[in-house]
Amino acid sequence: GEEVAQTPKHLVRGEGQKAKLYCAPIKGHSYVFWYQQVLKNEFKFLISFQNENVFDETGMPKERFSAKCLPNSPCSLEIQATKLEDSAVYFCASSQWLGGNTEAFFGQGTRLTVV
Amino acid sequence: DQQVKQNSPSLSVQEGRISILNCDYTNSMFDYFLWYKKYPAEGPTFLISISSIKDKNEDGRFTVFLNKSAKHLSLHIVPSQPGDSAVYFCAATPESNYQLIWGAGTKLIIKP
Repeated sequence: GEEVAQTPKHLVRGEGQKAKLYCAPIKGHSYVFWYQQVLKNEFKFLISFQNENVFDETGMPKERFSAKCLPNSPCSLEIQATKLEDSAVYFCASSQWLGGNTEAFFGQGTRLTVV
Repeated sequence: DQQVKQNSPSLSVQEGRISILNCDYTNSMFDYFLWYKKYPAEGPTFLISISSIKDKNEDGRFTVFLNKSAKHLSLHIVPSQPGDSAVYFCAATPESNYQLIWGAGTKLIIKP
């Protein structure tokens, strides 16, 4: 596709439940990034992929967060046992290459509300 | 500790005048600086970037200035148009990992 597609747009989970977010990057883009935006503040880097391989996961909370990008499937970000502080908008972005001047295209985000 | 700071949460500018958005950073290892624009309920869209080896980059109505000694960059929009009303995020990245480190954003309001 010509745009990064994120589903669902909104997700409500009770504390302790699992949340799974999906991202279809732009066709032909090799890199996928996940960012978390809490309370309309700055975006926090979570993880990046080069094709199906994890490129950089230094932003991922170790215990409850996991992510995958499998061939011929949307990428996914999964949060096990959600907590109230996981409430945020999660943005996915993709880019053709990796570089400081390379434009990353963002999806519309998934708003996760943990109640 | 915030590595990228946008100290003005909002800015109001008359249509047709110049908008100047500011950004400060603390990490001298950043190699690239980028500006993104975001409308409500949408993802950010890339505007313009600058390498740390340059001090100015221009693209149409948008110019970014970088002052490395002051660890400061600014985005100039001239002339400002109503469609420029949005939240502008400054971001920076080192070549070591290309993680984008973001500021908290400045909401720009263009008054008719």
